[in-house]
Amino acid sequence: QSVLTQPPSASGTPGQRVTISCSGSSSNIGSNYVYWYQHLPGTAPKLLIYWNDQRPSGVPDRFSGSKSGTSASLAISGLRSEDDGDYYCALWDDSLSGVVFGGGTKLTVL
Amino acid sequence: EVQLVESGGGLEQPGRSLRLSCVGSGFTFDDYAMHWVRQAPGKGLEWVSSFSWNSDSIVYADSVKGRFTISRDNPKKSLSLQMNSLRPEDTALYYCAIGALDYFNYWGQGTLVTVSS
Repeated sequence: QSVLTQPPSASGTPGQRVTISCSGSSSNIGSNYVYWYQHLPGTAPKLLIYWNDQRPSGVPDRFSGSKSGTSASLAISGLRSEDDGDYYCALWDDSLSGVVFGGGTKLTVL
Repeated sequence: EVQLVESGGGLEQPGRSLRLSCVGSGFTFDDYAMHWVRQAPGKGLEWVSSFSWNSDSIVYADSVKGRFTISRDNPKKSLSLQMNSLRPEDTALYYCAIGALDYFNYWGQGTLVTVSS
């Protein structure tokens, strides 16, 4: 059981906007940056969002991140079939003195 | 182009040891923290261990503390993970990654470790 809580699944149709939540506590989300990773089938994970809401070079602006208090969210707009995969929030947890991942959300593009 | 290539995975019996390696190219090795992250079959990503760029910080997940040892050789651009006292629950695809201490910019393709009698 991770200290970061994500919904196990999410879905949407092409073109729709979906949001994936990540809930934590004051020792993790409340005091540190949140990161999001995309893990598509058969590929290595990829950094999608860093420092709560920043996109690395090459990540489309369809992907956006936000954080408020002890929760964070990843929004994907203009959903595409190639977005089908797993999405993880992660960050440094001060209490655990290490990185923690959320349990992951499996996104299905219908 | 950043490349991270892991090796050393395989089938090992419980209680035995394995050593994983990761060789990097396409980036200034000394500038980055190095990490190991794993994914057990059917499970999510789990952080294992990190080694800061300046060797000031070496950290482990509680699940591997005291059994696994991370090390890096900057001139050889390599990262290693010595895994002792292996357990069936260590069975996973092990990824090498680089980044800051709290996140991972780039990942390798992984090396599979199976612990079974």
